[in-house]
Amino acid sequence: QKEVEQNSGPLSVPEGAIASLNCTYSDRGSQSFFWYRQYSGKSPELIMSIYSNGDKEDGRFTAQLNKASQYVSLLIRDSQPSDSATYLCAVRESGANSKLTFGKGITLSVRP
Amino acid sequence: DAMVIQNPRYQVTQFGKPVTLSCSQTLNHNVMYWYQQKSSQAPKLLVHYYDKDFNNEADTPDNFQSRRPNTSFCFLDIRSPGLGDAAMYLCASGIQGDQPQHFGDGTRLSIL
Repeated sequence: QKEVEQNSGPLSVPEGAIASLNCTYSDRGSQSFFWYRQYSGKSPELIMSIYSNGDKEDGRFTAQLNKASQYVSLLIRDSQPSDSATYLCAVRESGANSKLTFGKGITLSVRP
Repeated sequence: DAMVIQNPRYQVTQFGKPVTLSCSQTLNHNVMYWYQQKSSQAPKLLVHYYDKDFNNEADTPDNFQSRRPNTSFCFLDIRSPGLGDAAMYLCASGIQGDQPQHFGDGTRLSIL
């Protein structure tokens, strides 16, 4: 059973702080990793994708990948109340017609 | 704008009464997915189409069927909805390979 684990939440940070969201995965052959943001009652929205070890930055968001440790994280700098949402880590399984396996998500609350 | 469109946004049906959820995409993606998401849980893949090839997850009940008449459209048929089928149903499209999936706004299904 291929698994994606996210830290149990919820996570609460003050406005302007750095929020750190972590994810581990079991399929060592996984090659593609995604972070989706999901507001309550809405569908997941892609915010970051990462494919190689290291950091990838996009605005206030930085994704970090360490394939040796099977670990992917998302950092949100200068957190805003509008960042309050559930963040889903998704890992594409290895193999043809590969599918996404989602973590349960971590709910982030940014306090004004 | 190219996008994934789901209809309706909200669907109410009676216990045991068949219901069909619709999805269309203008992204010309060859893969389409149907997920079920219950409150505070990860999206769970039910079925997906790679072109016209139907793929059923091993644990997807027979109650769920799907049709893809052409590249743009995909339907999820729930033959005899039970109370446990009340959930958000998410349609997504993608391209085989490393690219991310793009989600529609979802259909929230309620069972009376």
